[in-house]
Amino acid sequence: GQQVMQIPQYQHVQEGEDFTTYCNSSTTLSNIQWYKQRPGGHPVFLIQLVKSGEVKKQKRLTFQFGEAKKNSSLHITATQTTDVGTYFCAGRGRTGLNFVFGPGTRLSVLP
Amino acid sequence: DGGITQSPKYLFRKEGQNVTLSCEQNLNHDAMYWYRQDPGQGLRLIYYSQIVNDFQKGDIAEGYSVSREKKESFPLTVTSAQKNPTAFYLCASSSFPQEGDTEAFFGQGTRLTVV
Repeated sequence: GQQVMQIPQYQHVQEGEDFTTYCNSSTTLSNIQWYKQRPGGHPVFLIQLVKSGEVKKQKRLTFQFGEAKKNSSLHITATQTTDVGTYFCAGRGRTGLNFVFGPGTRLSVLP
Repeated sequence: DGGITQSPKYLFRKEGQNVTLSCEQNLNHDAMYWYRQDPGQGLRLIYYSQIVNDFQKGDIAEGYSVSREKKESFPLTVTSAQKNPTAFYLCASSSFPQEGDTEAFFGQGTRLTVV
């Protein structure tokens, strides 16, 4: 079945440094979504990417969908303490009815 | 306000007991999902439902059961057959998956502990 992996598992950065998490699927995806979960909270939707090679930006966050639609990345520029949390990607295959979540990347930001 | 509500927030269960976790949404979403999250882990799909009176097993359905008698409600029962039920349970809903997928809305979660 479809598998979604993320690297790194953990990332510790100094406030102001950049951060990137990578998401890779074992199969070609129809689309991919990104979620953020704050410590003790629930996942909150950030964005959805649909087109091959698509790049979307939300303030300091940049999301990219690979040309082959099998990988994606989330880049945060100049991290802030409010960025702390776990970032999940979730991919839906071409024939799947639901999204498969990656294991997440936990981001810690040191002030 | 529209949203998805899970209850209770915390639940303690004795070994051998069945417990039911509630999930209600007023977003008029067709699809609803149950996920399990263990400490430091990702989300694993237990069950999902695309439409009333129909549901499908996810990756870790053993020891769990669900029902979907109403569009708004998707309760999850953790049975005594579930060997390691202590976890954080998340319910989510979304519009029916199609090419123009929309986001999944998650409830606040239920933290289940077996004592």
